[in-house]
Amino acid sequence: AQSVTQPDIHITVSEGASLELRCNYSYGATPYLFWYVQSPGQGLQLLLKYFSGDTLVQGIKGFEAEFKRSQSSFNLRKPSVHWSDAAEYFCAVGSYNTDKLIFGTGTRLQVFP
Amino acid sequence: DADVTQTPRNRITKTGKRIMLECSQTKGHDRMYWYRQDPGLGLRLIYYSFDVKDINKGEISDGYSVSRQAQAKFSLSLESAIPNQTALYFCATSDATGYSYEQYFGPGTRLTVT
Repeated sequence: AQSVTQPDIHITVSEGASLELRCNYSYGATPYLFWYVQSPGQGLQLLLKYFSGDTLVQGIKGFEAEFKRSQSSFNLRKPSVHWSDAAEYFCAVGSYNTDKLIFGTGTRLQVFP
Repeated sequence: DADVTQTPRNRITKTGKRIMLECSQTKGHDRMYWYRQDPGLGLRLIYYSFDVKDINKGEISDGYSVSRQAQAKFSLSLESAIPNQTALYFCATSDATGYSYEQYFGPGTRLTVT
């Protein structure tokens, strides 16, 4: 069965520091992978997605993620965090034959000035 | 105007009451979903619909029902609300063509059952 693990429940970083949020998935075939962000009081917004091809994908707001098949990972990164990046981040996995997404439990990011 | 709208945005109700949450979309997508979000549990799928005549249970459908009134409207009902249905509820849509598989989310409905 498909599953997604986000091992970090809560991360705190200083503004301007680099960021990496971890995501590990379990799926037999090539997964479709997504990162969503949820700002306080808002719905989920897609940051980036991976279907195939280049394993390093660029997203909005300066985020990128790298698909590593050997590690079953799809970690989200940003070189310099801004205070406005404080939010909850969700990794999700899907596949071509289900059109359903399985979400991780989320990582809450706190940014200190 | 938002592409996916949910009404109401906030609702407080009492145990045993029937309540309906509504979702409308202007994206023209065939596929619609209802999720609930609980702290520490992420988003869990309640029901999904691939077109007006196709409705499917998700992983946590007990205690819920849905109605797809039109391509653009998908409602979630709690026939007899209970306190453990207190949660944030999201509607989402996706496009069946083009294989993008991306889901677009509404702003959510915060439901409290007392």
